[in-house]
Amino acid sequence: QKEVEQNSGPLSVPEGAIASLNCTYSDRVSQSFFWYRQYSGKSPELIMSIYSNGDKEDGRFTAQLNKASQYVSLLIRDSQPSDSATYLCAVKSDRGSTLGRLYFGRGTQLTVWP
Amino acid sequence: DAGVTQSPTHLIKTRGQQVTLRCSPKSGHDTVSWYQQALGQGPQFIFQYYEEEERQRGNFPDRFSGHQFPNYSSELNVNALLLGDSALYLCASSLESRWASYNEQFFGPGTRLTVL
Repeated sequence: QKEVEQNSGPLSVPEGAIASLNCTYSDRVSQSFFWYRQYSGKSPELIMSIYSNGDKEDGRFTAQLNKASQYVSLLIRDSQPSDSATYLCAVKSDRGSTLGRLYFGRGTQLTVWP
Repeated sequence: DAGVTQSPTHLIKTRGQQVTLRCSPKSGHDTVSWYQQALGQGPQFIFQYYEEEERQRGNFPDRFSGHQFPNYSSELNVNALLLGDSALYLCASSLESRWASYNEQFFGPGTRLTVL
């Protein structure tokens, strides 16, 4: 049983602050990791993917992966009220019997207040 | 470049009825995955279609079935609807290969199913 756990939240930060979202996963052989943003009533939108240990930056977003600790995180710098959403961590299975499926955490709700 | 499309947007059914949801993948993608998202939960994998065959299946009963057409579009069918089937049904498209899964999945807008 593959599990993806996210910090329960909700997380509330002031505008301009750094928001830190965390995720742990149970399947040691997982190779692909994703962060999706989901606004209320909408579908998930892919914002970051990461496959190798270390940091990956894209604009105000930085994804961090540590496979030894089975940990992936998302940092949002200079947070804006428009970043207020639920952030979903997803882990993709890369082997035979479960190839191609995404396993999601329950999501962390982020609120950025002005 | 059209993204992933789904129809209908909303659907209301009663217990015991059957429903068909439709999905067209992003241009250039060949694989469609279906997910169910209950309120307050992360999406749960239902199944994935590749080369017109069900390649993977999650822990869902046989009441859930699907199909992929030669143009890569897909349908999700749910028979004998239960109240617990009320959820957001999401279609995700990707470009896969038979032996590897390394590409990102992009979601459509979803179909909100309400079972009364």
